[in-house]
Amino acid sequence: EAQVTQNPRYLITVTGKKLTVTCSQNMNHEYMSWYRQDPGLGLRQIYYSMNVEVTDKGDVPEGYKVSRKEKRNFPLILESPSPNQTSLYFCASSFLAGGPVETQYFGPGTRLLVL
Amino acid sequence: GNSVTQMEGPVTLSEEAFLTINCTYTATGYPSLFWYVQYPGEGLQLLLKATKADDKGSNKGFEATYRKETTSFHLEKGSVQVSDSAVYFCALRGSSASKIIFGSGTRLSIRP
Repeated sequence: EAQVTQNPRYLITVTGKKLTVTCSQNMNHEYMSWYRQDPGLGLRQIYYSMNVEVTDKGDVPEGYKVSRKEKRNFPLILESPSPNQTSLYFCASSFLAGGPVETQYFGPGTRLLVL
Repeated sequence: GNSVTQMEGPVTLSEEAFLTINCTYTATGYPSLFWYVQYPGEGLQLLLKATKADDKGSNKGFEATYRKETTSFHLEKGSVQVSDSAVYFCALRGSSASKIIFGSGTRLSIRP
């Protein structure tokens, strides 16, 4: 089954304690991306990756890091979380534009609370 | 830069009513346009898309036409159902960019 998985689904942590949210896809997609969703703001892109070892900042990258060592995985790292990073996070993947299926597949979301 | 503006919600309708959710965009070149739907507790799902001017995307009774002259991509459905209650996002991907830009979302509630 084609899917994007995220772990954990729910996380409560404290300010400054490093955390990683994993994302994995089994569709051999080149493109992967992280978004945060906040009320009234919709989805905002944090980072994206065009392929292995190729990453770039989205609209709200401050406080986040990513890596793309393998095609299927795209972890989101919060080195020193702060309360303003409390949000709902989505990972997504797709083939790159111009392919036969220009569709982003979204993971189920990770709800993060930073105290 | 590229941007998407969609009507603010929430939108509340009665079952079988006609639905329009407005979406306009600003972009250089020829973007691809999308509507995504997010059901409660779930991630976004692609609802429909259009990749060039005058294209009409359609799925599950929803339609949207890519209007370059008015830079719009309004979502319509002739007869909504309770099961259509969700948040709807308009989005675009630029012709040369790898980013997808989302609107702020419109919450739709359908009364039985």
